[in-house]
Formats: sequence, C-alpha cells, structure tokens
Amino acid sequence: DTGVSQDPRHKITKRGQNVTFRCDPISEHNRLYWYRQTLGQGPEFLTYFQNEAQLEKSRLLSDRFSAERPKGSFSTLEIQRTEQGDSAMYLCASSIGAGHSYEQYFGPGTRLTVT
Amino acid sequence: RKEVEQDPGPFNVPEGATVAFNCTYSNSASQSFFWYRQDCRKEPKLLMSVYSSGNEDGRFTAQLNRASQYISLLIRDSKLSDSATYLCVVNAGTYKYIFGTGTRLKVLA
Repeated sequence: DTGVSQDPRHKITKRGQNVTFRCDPISEHNRLYWYRQTLGQGPEFLTYFQNEAQLEKSRLLSDRFSAERPKGSFSTLEIQRTEQGDSAMYLCASSIGAGHSYEQYFGPGTRLTVT
Repeated sequence: RKEVEQDPGPFNVPEGATVAFNCTYSNSASQSFFWYRQDCRKEPKLLMSVYSSGNEDGRFTAQLNRASQYISLLIRDSKLSDSATYLCVVNAGTYKYIFGTGTRLKVLA
C-alpha cells in the first residue's frame, strides 16, 4: 500500500521565482486537500478537490497560488513570484469521503524555503 | 476566539505516567473529530478518530463531550516514543478541517 506521496521533499528558491509541487494521493481516495504549516502552528487549509473539481479555496490562497488536479488523480500546487512569507511546509492530504470516512491521510510534505 | 483551541504545553511527564490533553471547539455543527500525532518536521499521522461513545486503542483513549464542546486524549503508561506534538482536528463539513496548534508532550526517562 502506497500512502500519499509528495515531490519534491525540499525546495529552496529565490524570491520572485515560480515553484510547483506535486501530490499523489492514495489511489482510491477521491478527495484531496492542500495545507500550509508554519513552525508552531497547525496545518492551515488552502484548497480542496473532489475528483478533478476544485470545490473550495481558502482566502489564504492569493492569486499567486494555483492548484490543479487533472483527471482527478495527482495534484499540483504552483506558487508564482514567491515571497519570503511563502516559506513553510506544504502538506497534501487525501480522504476517501465515502459514508462517514472523513479520515485524512497526509503526505510527507514539501518544505519550501524562499531566500 | 479560535475555532479549535489546545494548550500548547509542553507537558513534561516521566515514563509510565498518565497524561491527558483537552481540546475545545467553537462550532457546534462539527461532525467528526480526530487526534493526530506529529513528530518534529514530519507530517501529521492519524492517531485516532473520536466517536461519541468514546474509543480506546491500546494505551490511548479519546472522549467527546458535545455538550461542552471538547474532546480529550488520555495516554496511559507513557513511553519515550510518545514524545511528539498532538494535534486536535475538528471537521465541520466536507472539506472544512480545522486544526489546533497542537500540544507538545515530552516523556522523560
């Protein structure tokens, strides 16, 4: 059984550059979530997909952020014109969403450092 | 008031001790509740879901009190390996998962 995977695990970029992260959810999970976590805080919701449809975006997600989930499988999160405040751990989670199975399973995260 | 509140700790306890954490939530429409464990610089891992009737998994017991809007986690016979941050998570809809800031536990030899 492969869990949620994320790539890359670490990314160091210079301010102003664009970065893209990938998430591969657990194969039978139709729900996919992106979160951002900074030191000492819990994960903060960014966006949610059910299959290929992006159903919700947080106000935290500025217009520099975009996410896609083509074909309802893997997802990508792109940050354009990165800023130092974007430095954080970006976590992807998936859930099956059937019945009352709201349990989320997280990937290992992508740690972004903007210099 | 935060939607989900936890005491950040740290809770420093000796091996073998029993320790309990509480977490309060503000949205009375919340439907599902979870405890996650997070080790330093790692992803959160699901520890247990919390059911209305309470549930137990080995040394871990979770309780839900809807009237007072809090959930609890009890760890018995603490092990060094239990040292981690414990995140309370409240689900108030399909995508709306609210995480607490976590409670740090340090189990001391």
